[in-house]
Amino acid sequence: SAVISQKPSRDICQRGTSLTIQCQVDSQVTMMFWYRQQPGQSLTLIATANQGSEATYESGFVIDKFPISRPNLTFSTLTVSNMSPEDSSIYLCSVEAQGVQETQYFGPGTRLLVL
Amino acid sequence: EDKVVQSPLSLVVHEGDTVTLNCSYEVTNFRSLLWYKQEKKAPTFLFMLTSSGIEKKSGRLSSILDKKELFSILNITATQTGDSAVYLCAVEAGTYKYIFGTGTRLKVLA
Repeated sequence: SAVISQKPSRDICQRGTSLTIQCQVDSQVTMMFWYRQQPGQSLTLIATANQGSEATYESGFVIDKFPISRPNLTFSTLTVSNMSPEDSSIYLCSVEAQGVQETQYFGPGTRLLVL
Repeated sequence: EDKVVQSPLSLVVHEGDTVTLNCSYEVTNFRSLLWYKQEKKAPTFLFMLTSSGIEKKSGRLSSILDKKELFSILNITATQTGDSAVYLCAVEAGTYKYIFGTGTRLKVLA
């Protein structure tokens, strides 16, 4: 399994500001994913990040609002830009681990509250 | 449109009860179905199912997939308070494309 860490674990931010969330994996992975989980809802995929190319965004998510970096095979960042209270959510990064049983592993998540 | 539906949305049981959680799906390109347990923030992996009729078992938890009827069930026997969590079902519906259900919130009372 992959060990994934995220920073910060939680934050409270003022509307109009931006927050960058970091995701570090203990092994090299091809794809990293960023999810959002709004209160009481399930996980929604924001984008898929492949090292060396631009992230692929899901419907309803745009690069200007959620810029993503993927500088190497073990690290990615997600920025939540120009935040509003509607961005209050848990943000999770995940990786697809290749092995005997392919599956997704999730980071511990970042709980964001926008005032 | 691909979708994953879980039922019930929430469930309250007493310790020792057996529960069955349901996950049905409609996807155009099914690859696998996964179950996760989410207690605080991060979901933790439970099972991955790819073939019909083959039960996966881990302790008191078991799961099975029916690809003809497009559903899966997650069984928990002899429930404990530590089983209280949201259980998420996800379908891999293409390369790197995972669709999550809304989850079943299980509460086990002592």
